[in-house]
Amino acid sequence: GAVVSQHPSRVICKSGTSVKIECRSLDFQATTMFWYRQFPKQSLMLMATSNEGSKATYEQGVEKDKFLINHASLTLSTLTVTSAHPEDSSFYICSPTLPGDTFGSGTRLTVV
Amino acid sequence: ELKVEQNPLFLSMQEGKNYTIYCNYSTTSDRLYWYRQDPGKSLESLFVLLSNGAVKQEGRLMASLDTKARLSTLHITAAVHDLSATYFCAGNNQGGKLIFGQGTELSVKP
Repeated sequence: GAVVSQHPSRVICKSGTSVKIECRSLDFQATTMFWYRQFPKQSLMLMATSNEGSKATYEQGVEKDKFLINHASLTLSTLTVTSAHPEDSSFYICSPTLPGDTFGSGTRLTVV
Repeated sequence: ELKVEQNPLFLSMQEGKNYTIYCNYSTTSDRLYWYRQDPGKSLESLFVLLSNGAVKQEGRLMASLDTKARLSTLHITAAVHDLSATYFCAGNNQGGKLIFGQGTELSVKP
């Protein structure tokens, strides 16, 4: 199956700083990447969908200026959490073009 | 809009027992997925069910799909401790978006 590499696996940052999360598709070209967020003891919620070469689509209630998504190539999609706050602490997971088949390993973000 | 509901949300089982997790969904979904998540880890795909009556089995887990009832089940046979994890079902919304159930936290005790 498709392989997606997600980095970093864990990050701790200070409130007000920005954090970038990368998802790379290693053995296929991902025209689309889905980004999910999972708060502790909760389910996964879709945040946004990135599309190579065009603007990302954000789900209702997700601040596009806070969660910057870039999909500059067919193998790399990035999510940048800008001006992070403690309430942004969560587990972020990417999933590529083949919805439901493959997930990145996840990034545990802790904002202190 | 697709909504997915699982029950139970918490399940404590004894080793060797059987049990079923239920997944109801509100509207048509192209596919129904089952995943396993271990603490601190990402999702591991277990099953993808594509059509009415589909049944898939892997080891002690068996998943089935009834599209008329909009119901999928994950049956656990003779549970062992290694099956302790959180299990999610999910359906496809339009555009390929996944909508997840709340998750079922399974604890298998000796």
